[in-house]
Amino acid sequence: GNSVTQMEGPVTLSEEAFLTINCTYTATGYPSLFWYVQYPGEGLQLLLKATKADDKGSNKGFEATYRKETTSFHLEKGSVQVSDSAVYFCALSPTTSGTYKYIFGTGTRLKVLA
Amino acid sequence: SQTIHQWPATLVQPVGSPLSLECTVEGTSNPNLYWYRQAAGRGLQLLFYSVGIGQISSEVPQNLSASRPQDRQFILSSKKLLLSDSGFYLCAWSFGTDTQYFGPGTRLTVL
Repeated sequence: GNSVTQMEGPVTLSEEAFLTINCTYTATGYPSLFWYVQYPGEGLQLLLKATKADDKGSNKGFEATYRKETTSFHLEKGSVQVSDSAVYFCALSPTTSGTYKYIFGTGTRLKVLA
Repeated sequence: SQTIHQWPATLVQPVGSPLSLECTVEGTSNPNLYWYRQAAGRGLQLLFYSVGIGQISSEVPQNLSASRPQDRQFILSSKKLLLSDSGFYLCAWSFGTDTQYFGPGTRLTVL
């Protein structure tokens, strides 16, 4: 079946450090892949997405590349800020016809210290 | 552009009381609609989804129910709340299997 595995958190970094949050997936076919961010007390916001192999999604300095050979979609940012502190969710949308259910990872909490 | 609303933002209810949470989407027609629950410090659990008026699919058997009385309105209900119903409830919409967009959420505390 389809699944998403994210690295356990929390991840604690100093401001301006490099960020990587690992995400691997299991799916049949060619799913679309997403990263969502959730700030405290708020809903999820789409951060970036990629719909086919080798696509790179990017937004607000964050990047992730759809790697089919390693079934991964790791989130990276070159220099984090305190305002990036949030929970990050990796998700996939199966390509199976008639399937509307996203598969979410369990989320990774990021804390950035000034 | 599309906007999704949820209310109330916060709710405190006693065990055994009824529940009604509302979600509405503006700026689109015939969206797919979803209800998720997020327990404290946990991931997202899909509760219900709907691909059209009156069409509801349930993902988890429990004491919650959902209805879609209008194209852009999705309601989550319960006749009798349990302590375990506490959590953060999120509504989302999408076009088919495309990107899901989430509302601001409702924080429910059952005492």
